[in-house]
Amino acid sequence: EAGVAQSPRYKIIEKRQSVAFWCNPISGHATLYWYQQILGQGPKLLIQFQNNGVVDDSQLPKDRFSAERLKGVDSTLKIQPAKLEDSAVYLCASSLGVGTGVSTLQETQYFGPGTRLLVL
Amino acid sequence: QKEVEQDPGPLSVPEGAIVSLNCTYSNSAFQYFMWYRQYSRKGPELLMYTYSSGNKEDGRFTAQVDKSSKYISLFIRDSQPSDSATYLCAMMRDSSYKLIFGSGTRLLVRP
Repeated sequence: EAGVAQSPRYKIIEKRQSVAFWCNPISGHATLYWYQQILGQGPKLLIQFQNNGVVDDSQLPKDRFSAERLKGVDSTLKIQPAKLEDSAVYLCASSLGVGTGVSTLQETQYFGPGTRLLVL
Repeated sequence: QKEVEQDPGPLSVPEGAIVSLNCTYSNSAFQYFMWYRQYSRKGPELLMYTYSSGNKEDGRFTAQVDKSSKYISLFIRDSQPSDSATYLCAMMRDSSYKLIFGSGTRLLVRP
C-alpha cells in the first residue's frame, strides 16, 4: 500500500514570498490533516479535512495560510506571504476517518515524509 | 502551561538497556494515548495506542497509562541502535480526532 506522498521535500524562499505544498493521501482515506512541526517541537494541527469539507482550522493563521482539498483527494497548503517564523516541516497525514469515533484504529493517522521549509 | 509535557532529552543509553519515556498531561478529557516514532527527516509513525488506563504490550514495547496521575509511559526492552529516533507522545479526546503532541524525546542507543 502506497503511503502519504508530499512534494516538494524541501523549499527555500525569501520572506514575503508565497509557497505551496502538495499532499496525496493514502487511497480511500477520507480524512486529511496538515501539521506544522517547528524544530524541537511536536506537530501542531493546522487544518483537518473530512472528504473536501473543513472539520477544524482553528489553529490555521488564516491571514496568510490557506488550504484546499478539491474532490476530496489531494490537498494543497499555501502560505502567502511567508514570514521567518513559518520555517518548519509541514506534515500531511491521512486516516480512514469514518467519523464514528468508535475505534482509534480507524482514526490512526499515517504521516507523509513532510516538506521542509526555510524562510530567509 | 502546555497540554502535554515531554522531556526533550536527548536520552543516551547503551544497547540492551531498558528505556523509559514519559509524558504528563493536564487535560483530563484525553481518552486515547499514542506513541509515535520519528526518524530524522521522516514523518512520525504510530508505535502503539492505548484507550483509557492500563498497560499494553507489543514485542519489546510496553505502553502504560495512569489517568489518575495524568502520566503515560513507553518502555523499550532490549533497546537496539535502530531504536534511535525521536519519540512523540500524542493524545486525543473521545469526541474529537485532534491529536495533541508532546514535543518529543530524542533517544540515542549506543552500540
